[in-house]
Amino acid sequence: QVQLVQSGVEVKKPGASVKVSCKTSGYTFTSYGISWVRQAPGQGLEWMGWISAYNGDTNYAQKLQGRVTMTTDTSTSLAYMELRSLRSDDTAVYYCARGLYDSSGSSRMDVWGQGTTVTVSS
Amino acid sequence: SSELTQDPAVSVALGQTVRITCQGDSLRSYYASWYQQKPGQAPVLVIYGKNNRPSEIPDRFSGSNSGNTASLTITGAQAEDEADYYCNSRDSSGDSVVFGGGTKLTVL
Repeated sequence: QVQLVQSGVEVKKPGASVKVSCKTSGYTFTSYGISWVRQAPGQGLEWMGWISAYNGDTNYAQKLQGRVTMTTDTSTSLAYMELRSLRSDDTAVYYCARGLYDSSGSSRMDVWGQGTTVTVSS
Repeated sequence: SSELTQDPAVSVALGQTVRITCQGDSLRSYYASWYQQKPGQAPVLVIYGKNNRPSEIPDRFSGSNSGNTASLTITGAQAEDEADYYCNSRDSSGDSVVFGGGTKLTVL
């Protein structure tokens, strides 16, 4: 079955960077993209961006441009999300999800990882 | 602020029908997808496209679209349907993706 398994809990100081991994299995990695979504404590879902596992094309949320980098490793079916210059309001659960756009251009995220808690605190 | 607007909270009596709505200009051009999230769990896709359900989602969940509004309907709500529901779509420019603010569904 399709699975996305994320790396573990991270605790970082303000100004540091964090890199979260997402190990995929059960499907052809390069046939889909990977979306990243975060959720601050008690808040809603926030889309961070998307990367094509086929060619590495990326599309980042405007508010994170310059601080976020998404990459993939097709040899290991892994996806990564790195966020730099961390602030306290980056404290959140970070999710990867298999992301795709259909023929109408509409997006969906059909399988999700379990989430990675990132805490930013001095 | 989100480009997709949802009611913060909705309630439904057990076994009755409830509609959760999502409004936004981008919905005139793109379909919404809908996600169910229970406390402490990752979101789960329940509806996407015109009205499509992943195979594991019960058929009491359905979707519809009209103008700038997408709707998620649960026909015969069950206690296990109590959760937060989020809509998601491309934004008005088509360059980005946005989530609605979420609707907390209470089953009475």
